[in-house]
Amino acid sequence: TQLLEQSPQFLSIQEGENLTVYCNSSSVFSSLQWYRQEPGEGPVLLVTVVTGGEVKKLKRLTFQFGDARKDSSLHITAAQPGDTGLYLCAGALTGTYKYIFGTGTRLKVLA
Amino acid sequence: DTAVSQTPKYLVTQMGNDKSIKCEQNLGHDTMYWYKQDSKKFLKIMFSYNNKELIINETVPNRFSPKSPDKAHLNLHINSLELGDSAVYFCASSSTRASGLQETQYFGPGTRLLVL
Repeated sequence: TQLLEQSPQFLSIQEGENLTVYCNSSSVFSSLQWYRQEPGEGPVLLVTVVTGGEVKKLKRLTFQFGDARKDSSLHITAAQPGDTGLYLCAGALTGTYKYIFGTGTRLKVLA
Repeated sequence: DTAVSQTPKYLVTQMGNDKSIKCEQNLGHDTMYWYKQDSKKFLKIMFSYNNKELIINETVPNRFSPKSPDKAHLNLHINSLELGDSAVYFCASSSTRASGLQETQYFGPGTRLLVL
């Protein structure tokens, strides 16, 4: 069974702190997405990474795809209360229409 | 304009009833999905249709029957609802590249199903 493990599962930090969320698997993915989901809403795409070793930046968010395309990380610099939410990674399995979602990281940023 | 829409947003029903959830996308995508998100927020794929053809059917009870009348619509009918069916059901859509790989998925707002 393919599985994407995210760590940490829960994270509560003060405004201004930095944090990193990890997404790990034993499977190889053709691409990997990061989503943020807020209460009562569907997941909203933040970024897609495709190439092994790829780094993408979205304002204070930095995403990296592992060289072997099995893992990824999301780093947030100077977290703000607006960053609060559930962060999900999702990997697209090569040659299929299937996405595997990670176990999720619930982030709470306190003002 | 809403890209992926679902109806209803909330559904409260008695055990044993039959209910349907509808999904529509106006993005011109050729692939649509149903996901179930449990109380621990884990998103698990249930079904996927590509050009109205069922391509993913995970180990879902046969009480769940998807139906895609056209590329823009994917409905989910659930027979004999059980307490364990209570969850949030998300519809999503994506398009297929020439290489066969899927583009990014776009999600609907979810349908919150509560079975009493």
